[in-house]
Amino acid sequence: DGGITQSPKYLFRKEGQNVTLSCEQNLNHDAMYWYRQDPGQGLRLIYYSQIVNDFQKGDIAEGYSVSREKKESFPLTVTSAQKNPTAFYLCASSNSPYPGELFFGEGSRLTVL
Amino acid sequence: DQQVKQNSPSLSVQEGRISILNCDYTNSMFDYFLWYKKYPAEGPTFLISISSIKDKNEDGRFTVFLNKSAKHLSLHIVPSQPGDSAVYFCAANTPYGNKLVFGAGTILRVKS
Repeated sequence: DGGITQSPKYLFRKEGQNVTLSCEQNLNHDAMYWYRQDPGQGLRLIYYSQIVNDFQKGDIAEGYSVSREKKESFPLTVTSAQKNPTAFYLCASSNSPYPGELFFGEGSRLTVL
Repeated sequence: DQQVKQNSPSLSVQEGRISILNCDYTNSMFDYFLWYKKYPAEGPTFLISISSIKDKNEDGRFTVFLNKSAKHLSLHIVPSQPGDSAVYFCAANTPYGNKLVFGAGTILRVKS
């Protein structure tokens, strides 16, 4: 079955710690995305990558970092510089650099204690 | 600057009735619009889309209407079912745009 796998589903972090969220896809899609969901604010784009070894900042990239060393993988690191990291994080992919439909993973809930 | 707006945070309808979810946009360059459905603690799933060359697209119980002059689209669900209870996001993209822009979402509750 093709799809997007995010892990972990739930994660707790102490303030000041970096944490990395995993995103793997076997859809053979070139483009991958990280969104953040907060109540009442919809989905906001953090970073996206249209091809291996290249990525672009989205609307709220501060305090986050990504890498795209393999087509299948697009991990997101939430650094200690992110002032309000508690949120639901969603990874998505698309078979087009000009996305119509995005395919989403199940999401990762990060809570900072 | 919110380019895609869903002004109703929530909507409650009776099972069997019509649900109408609304979305407004400000960017006249948007030419492709999508609706996603999301259950709690899950990723959004694609529901239906419409290109700006059309004013209506239908898929089973779901119909999306696009009014370009008003920069407005709506999603109609007929008849509504309890399983339709979810958050619905409107999204848009421009030609050769490399990212979707999402609205804030509307929580739909269908009462049985």
